[in-house]
Amino acid sequence: AQTVTQSQPEMSVQEAETVTLSCTYDTSESDYYLFWYKQPPSRQMILVIRQEAYKQQNATENRFSVNFQKAAKSFSLKISDSQLGDAAMYFCALSGGSNYKLTFGKGTLLTVNP
Amino acid sequence: DAGITQSPRHKVTETGTPVTLRCHQTENHRYMYWYRQDPGHGLRLIHYSYGVKDTDKGEVSDGYSVSRSKTEDFLLTLESATSSQTSVYFCAISPTQGRNNEQFFGPGTRLTVL
Repeated sequence: AQTVTQSQPEMSVQEAETVTLSCTYDTSESDYYLFWYKQPPSRQMILVIRQEAYKQQNATENRFSVNFQKAAKSFSLKISDSQLGDAAMYFCALSGGSNYKLTFGKGTLLTVNP
Repeated sequence: DAGITQSPRHKVTETGTPVTLRCHQTENHRYMYWYRQDPGHGLRLIHYSYGVKDTDKGEVSDGYSVSRSKTEDFLLTLESATSSQTSVYFCAISPTQGRNNEQFFGPGTRLTVL
């Protein structure tokens, strides 16, 4: 079975500062994908960034980057130069193995203070 | 944005009544999913489909059934709604299977069972 744990139910950051959201996971698969999704108050689920487990290089998308530690099964999201529009619920998700399902963490609610 | 619509977007119903939620896609993607989102639980998979008339259960399938008679439509039915099924329901689609399981989400349906 796959599990995803987000240990921070809530986080806050000052505008223009940097914040890191934590995620740990467990899987018996050797090849898998990890995702961060953003859910703003509109409820729409938006893919922020994706990491392929067999790639050692950490994924980056503009102000969003990940710190992928495969041995530690850790997948944290760093948001640089935080903006008010980054305020949202963030979900870490894992996909691996022969099935098609995504396993989600319970989410971290990020507040951005002006 | 992926062409995914859900209907209705909001519904209030009474315990014991049948309810059907519809997911419609214009992307011709093979894989479709139904999730429910509840506070403190993240998103949990109800059922998924890997082709027309090909469906399987997710982790919280009790009380739900699905049907997919066309590539573009995936229906979720609550045969006899209960208050525990009050939730936000998301449909998702994916063009690929297996490890690279990037999913695109619909806007969600808020269902309240009184």
